[in-house]
Amino acid sequence: GAGVSQSPSNKVTEKGKDVELRCDPISGHTALYWYRQSLGQGLEFLIYFQGNSAPDKSGLPSDRFSAERTGGSVSTLTIQRTQQEDSAVYLCASSLAAQANNQPQHFGDGTRLSIL
Amino acid sequence: GENVEQHPSTLSVQEGDSAVIKCTYSDSASNYFPWYKQELGKRPQLIIDIRSNVGEKKDQRIAVTLNKTAKHFSLHITETQPEDSAVYFCAASMDKLIFGTGTRLQVFP
Repeated sequence: GAGVSQSPSNKVTEKGKDVELRCDPISGHTALYWYRQSLGQGLEFLIYFQGNSAPDKSGLPSDRFSAERTGGSVSTLTIQRTQQEDSAVYLCASSLAAQANNQPQHFGDGTRLSIL
Repeated sequence: GENVEQHPSTLSVQEGDSAVIKCTYSDSASNYFPWYKQELGKRPQLIIDIRSNVGEKKDQRIAVTLNKTAKHFSLHITETQPEDSAVYFCAASMDKLIFGTGTRLQVFP
């Protein structure tokens, strides 16, 4: 597609449930990033993937959070046993490359996650 | 790790005036500095970026300056218009983006 696509756009779930968020990056982009934005706050880095390299997971807030990127394209962010503080907008971005050239990152519309 | 500070948190200007937003970063290895504009409920949109081998970059009414020695960079918007009203984020990067806390800019007609 023309841009980064994320689904679902909104997700409401009960505390304790697991959720999966999906990101489909721009075709040809080798780097993919996940960020989190709480209401009225800035963007917090979670994890990024670059090609076949091991992902940088340094921003994941707890072991309830995990992400995978299959086939170098689509990525899924999974949150297990959700807590109310997980409520936020989860944004995905992609770029041509993560290192050296530092290509611009282009964001999707995000998934608004609400934990009841 | 990298830490980015951004000021001011809110900025109100009259239409036609200039607006300046300033950021500082901590990691001298950062070499890429983008600025994003985010309207309410929308995705962040890249408006301008600068790499560490350049001191200034301009695109129409928007300019960014970078001082590597002092580790700070600034966004300048001239001849502001009401449609410039949004939250603006700076970021510093070697690979992943570390964002500032944002500046809410309001341009009054």
